[in-house]
Amino acid sequence: AQRVTQPEKLLSVFKGAPVELKCNYSYSGSPELFWYVQYSRQRLQLLLRHISRESIKGFTADLNKGETSFHLKKPFAQEEDSAMYYCALRALKTSYDKVIFGPGTSLSVIP
Amino acid sequence: DAGVTQSPTHLIKTRGQQVTLRCSPKSGHDTVSWYQQALGQGPQFIFQYYEEEERQRGNFPDRFSGHQFPNYSSELNVNALLLGDSALYLCASSLDRVLSPLHFGNGTRLTVT
Repeated sequence: AQRVTQPEKLLSVFKGAPVELKCNYSYSGSPELFWYVQYSRQRLQLLLRHISRESIKGFTADLNKGETSFHLKKPFAQEEDSAMYYCALRALKTSYDKVIFGPGTSLSVIP
Repeated sequence: DAGVTQSPTHLIKTRGQQVTLRCSPKSGHDTVSWYQQALGQGPQFIFQYYEEEERQRGNFPDRFSGHQFPNYSSELNVNALLLGDSALYLCASSLDRVLSPLHFGNGTRLTVT
């Protein structure tokens, strides 16, 4: 069965400090991994996905198949990064498979 | 492009009643997925519609049903409402194509009293 875990419900960091939001998954096949973000009073939106290998708003995430992890990292946190972050998984190369979400981590960046 | 739109924004119902939520997908998208997000939790997959048929379903009882129309818009129906059905209901649209990401609406906040 597909499952996504995010061990931290809440994470607080100071502005300018590095931030890492952890995500682990369980899935027997080849996964497609995502990070979605929800800023205050805004809709859930895609932040980045592992297949793109790009940095969005300074965030990066590397898929580690050995550790079944997809941690989200940013070297210098900004106040505008405060939001709810969800890691999500889907079967790769399947357009119609459901996307499974983790429970989310609330990131608070302290000025 | 208005993106994914959902109506109504908020809804209050009484236990035992029935409710219908509506979703218009992003322009050009043909697939609609519905999620339930309880307070403090991640979105839980309810079901997905494509070509007017339910293609996949999560672990939700038959009280939850849906429909997709020829213009790709969709409805979520919940019968015999329970207090535990109180949640934010999210609609997401995508293309029936490999690697197409989900685009979410703002959700409908359902409160069951």
